[in-house]
Amino acid sequence: EAQLVESGGGLVQPGGSLRLSCTASGFNFGDFEMNWVRQAPGKGLEWISYIYARGSTRNYAESVQGRFTVSRDNARNSLYLQMTSLTVEDTAVYYCARGAPHKGDAFDVWGPGTMVTVSS
Amino acid sequence: DIQLTQSPSFLSASVGDRVSFTCRASQAIRTSLAWYQQKPGKVPKLLIYDASTLESGVPSRFIGSGSGRDFTLTIDSLQPEDFATYYCLKTYPQGPFGGGTKVEIK
Repeated sequence: EAQLVESGGGLVQPGGSLRLSCTASGFNFGDFEMNWVRQAPGKGLEWISYIYARGSTRNYAESVQGRFTVSRDNARNSLYLQMTSLTVEDTAVYYCARGAPHKGDAFDVWGPGTMVTVSS
Repeated sequence: DIQLTQSPSFLSASVGDRVSFTCRASQAIRTSLAWYQQKPGKVPKLLIYDASTLESGVPSRFIGSGSGRDFTLTIDSLQPEDFATYYCLKTYPQGPFGGGTKVEIK
């Protein structure tokens, strides 16, 4: 069974940095595009980044462009999100999600999420 | 950048009702759209991809339609477990999500 598990969330002060990780199992991680999605408390879903299977192409939502960097290590079945210059508006549950190429790249497997709280 | 607008934001309905809600893209996106269901405290669940293809294991009462700019998710005969928030997502390439439609019990 394909599974994703995020880690690295926590409490950070405004202006600080944090690195999230997502570990995959049960599928060939290196064959899939991966995404980060977040959800602020009581709010809707926000796609924030994707990275192609080989890492050659990455894209970001305008809200995180220039502050967040997505990367992956296919040998470790791991996806990462380096977050810098954090603000209170970045407080959210952060999910990693797999893009399924045979399903129009829709996100078919999600991790349980990791909470990031930006507060002084 | 492409924007997705969902309407209505809230919908009250009864068990057994047929309900529909829409997702409009700011520019044509062919059939590059997916629909998700999310219940409180839970991870989003993929229902439909490529605008109208039912994800494996999803009940056939969920029907996706549309292409270009206008898309619709219909739930034929609403069940108690269907009360949730529904989101559309532009795919290929990814992003953004629509703002969501919350389906509540009347």
